[in-house]
Amino acid sequence: DAGITQSPRHKVTETGTPVTLRCHQTENHRYMYWYRQDPGHGLRLIHYSYGVKDTDKGEVSDGYSVSRSKTEDFLLTLESATSSQTSVYFCAISVLAGQETQYFGPGTRLLVL
Amino acid sequence: GESVGLHLPTLSVQEGDNSIINCAYSNSASDYFIWYKQESGKGPQFIIDIRSNMDKRQGQRVTVLLNKTVKHLSLQIAATQPGDSAVYFCAEHVGDSSYKLIFGSGTRLLVRP
Repeated sequence: DAGITQSPRHKVTETGTPVTLRCHQTENHRYMYWYRQDPGHGLRLIHYSYGVKDTDKGEVSDGYSVSRSKTEDFLLTLESATSSQTSVYFCAISVLAGQETQYFGPGTRLLVL
Repeated sequence: GESVGLHLPTLSVQEGDNSIINCAYSNSASDYFIWYKQESGKGPQFIIDIRSNMDKRQGQRVTVLLNKTVKHLSLQIAATQPGDSAVYFCAEHVGDSSYKLIFGSGTRLLVRP
């Protein structure tokens, strides 16, 4: 998994509660990404980061926020979880500048009841 | 394991046969393409990539073919093994300054013993 860990790996929460997912990398890669994966859809980009405190929205960013205060950590927060946010969330990193290949973490399975 | 895609197209092959998985991409400006493999309950795993200035690239037991005229990408797996059973999807990078990838929804490969 290219030195990427995600926590928690599984979470069950209730509608309306805040949830934070953590992505941690050990190799100081500049670019980090959060995706969600749902049946019938390809991976969809939520947010990405191109450096500490530098983030931008992806195609499905509504209801999500991110923070990156250290190179190694990229946090995804659901401010008030909804059932439509039940999904599998993947973190990814880009290895080298100009090398667009992304490597993925093991995923977090989130169930919002 | 989880359902990566409940309605994915499925390719069923006999162990030892060759597999060909296809992908149509959307943007003629895409300049880089990646194939990923995803096993149940795991994150996507990089298999092979190809740049738009090439039409073929080979790896170990895998070959990627790129036809820019019809915007088509294929992954060939030689001597398919049970461990190749997974969901395979392609990703394209559009040739701008962004590091974002666009992912296909995937094909499920089943290998019959």
